[in-house]
Formats: sequence, structure tokens, C-alpha cells
Amino acid sequence: SQQGEEDPQALSIQEGENATMNCSYKTSINNLQWYRQNSGRGLVHLILIRSNEREKHSGRLRVTLDTSKKSSSLLITASRAADTASYFCATAPGGTSYGKLTFGQGTILTVHP
Amino acid sequence: EAEVAQSPRYKITEKSQAVAFWCDPISGHATLYWYRQILGQGPELLVQFQDESVVDDSQLPKDRFSAERLKGVDSTLKIQPAELGDSAMYLCASSLRRQGAYEQYFGPGTRLTVT
Repeated sequence: SQQGEEDPQALSIQEGENATMNCSYKTSINNLQWYRQNSGRGLVHLILIRSNEREKHSGRLRVTLDTSKKSSSLLITASRAADTASYFCATAPGGTSYGKLTFGQGTILTVHP
Repeated sequence: EAEVAQSPRYKITEKSQAVAFWCDPISGHATLYWYRQILGQGPELLVQFQDESVVDDSQLPKDRFSAERLKGVDSTLKIQPAELGDSAMYLCASSLRRQGAYEQYFGPGTRLTVT
């Protein structure tokens, strides 16, 4: 079952522009993570934000988390053609779950050179 | 940099046949996950191991799927018999607990086509 819903489902931009993807979830979480998947490949972890954090940065990535709205956003600044991929948010519940993640449906990002 | 290994990368099988996938996690990672990803969707957890023990297999179709991690290191996922609806990417991931959270490291996946 998919907990997260991502918006938009697809995003097409030009190189140099910023890309923003949103994720909403339903139940309380311990943390929320973003992953990238290049076509036909495995997923790569991008960033983790804990439930007591509101914003986190990593290079050109900025993630925000609003637990009251049960939503998160991923901002990629100054996008590059190499950023073309699918992006997934994944939520980790609290308690003894050994890191079980529930993934959203993903946003397909296309960056045109 | 250590990686999760999976084999085979691609598998074509006929329905009703048996198929098996293998995963070797990053050394020292106690937690191992198997996911199924249907084209256009996010990964869905099938089974999760902590060392050699199954901690979550609630989404595993147990009538045809089985998974084991006998020595708490590498793992095998089996489907018998395969059905057309099993065509998907099967992903293995491993993780280590760090500061109360788990970041997952994924293998390249096995693309299964059932004909």
C-alpha cells in the first residue's frame, strides 16, 4: 500500500530552473526520506528529515517538512540534465519498525538541456 | 564504495515456472528488504529481515513467494509458480541504524518478465 501521494506526477523544466516536488502522507512518522531513481535502475538515497526538523539542505537540495499538514517538499535548485529521474518520498513510522519505508508513487522530472 | 549486489539483472520465465533472485547486502548491514516495483509506481515492501529473522512479510503473497536469509547475510527471494502479474522490478535494499534512523541502500534490481 502506498502512503505518500506525490505532486506533480510529472514535471518538465529547462536546465537552470528550479524544480519543486511535493509529498503528502497520512499517518504519523519518525522520518521522511527522498530517493532518486534513474530509468530502470535502483534507488539512491538523497536526504532524510526527521519529524522534529522543519528544513534540511544538502548541496542543491532543500527539503521541508510540515508535520501538522503531513506534507513535505523537495526543491532542486539550478537543475541540470543529469537530474532527470524519478523522485520518490518515503515515510518511516515510529516504533520498532527497523526502518520500514512506505513509498509514494513518485514524480518524474525531465530537465531539458 | 560498498554496494548491494543482485543477480540476475534480467530474467525471462514462462508462467508456472519457478524463479529465484539473489541479494548480497552491504557488509555489516543487519536489515535487508525486498521490494517489488511495478512500472510507473513506487516500490512496495514484500519482506524485511533483521539479521536472519523476518520482521515484516505482511505484503508477501505467501502462497507463491518465499524468502530466506539463512546466515543473516545474503538472501534469496523465490516465486513458484510465477504468474503473468509478477512481471516487475524486484529490488533489494539493506540498511544500518544510524542515530535512530535507517537510510536504505538499493541494489540495481532484477527485471522479471513472465510470459
